[in-house]
Amino acid sequence: GAGVSQSPRYKVAKRGQDVALRCDPISGHVSLFWYQQALGQGPEFLTYFQNEAQLDKSGLPSDRFFAERPEGSVSTLKIQRTQQEDSAVYLCASSLINTEETQYFGPGTRLLVL
Amino acid sequence: QKEVEQNSGPLSVPEGAIASLNCTYSDRGSQSFFWYRQYSGKSPELIMFIYSNGDKEDGRFTAQLNKASQYVSLLIRDSQPSDSATYLCAVYGSSNTGKLIFGQGTTLQVKP
Repeated sequence: GAGVSQSPRYKVAKRGQDVALRCDPISGHVSLFWYQQALGQGPEFLTYFQNEAQLDKSGLPSDRFFAERPEGSVSTLKIQRTQQEDSAVYLCASSLINTEETQYFGPGTRLLVL
Repeated sequence: QKEVEQNSGPLSVPEGAIASLNCTYSDRGSQSFFWYRQYSGKSPELIMFIYSNGDKEDGRFTAQLNKASQYVSLLIRDSQPSDSATYLCAVYGSSNTGKLIFGQGTTLQVKP
């Protein structure tokens, strides 16, 4: 596809459930980023991959959040034992090479934890 | 102090007017600056990027950067109702980690 794709687009989870969010970046893009966007706020950085290497995970809110990109393409963000405060839109972005470049965003996954 | 600050608005302008959106940032070493537009329920889409001091024009949009004042702005000329959206200012920090830091966004309303 031409752009970043994410699935599912919407996810409702009961508190305590584990969820997995998938991101498929633009073909050939080396860098992949995850952001969390709360209602009325700008996106907040979670983590960053260059190929399969996770170079920065400083934004992950707790050890319940885990991200991987094992083959340097598709990435999965996993949230274990979901809490209500995890409800947000999770955005994935990719860029061609590395830092300081334009990041292109996917449509996001809207997570609601009940 | 937030790393990137924007007035949340809403900023309301009549159709055809110039809309001026402002952003300040705290990291003096930042080099790359972006404006994204986000429609309600949609993901951010790139409007413009700017790296050098001064003005950069693209159609109805002009980005302005003043690194000495740590200030970046976006002007939208001949505003249209379809420009009504939230505009996000984003800055790469100087630590070269790939982290893009966003402001909270300014909501623009263009009234016909």
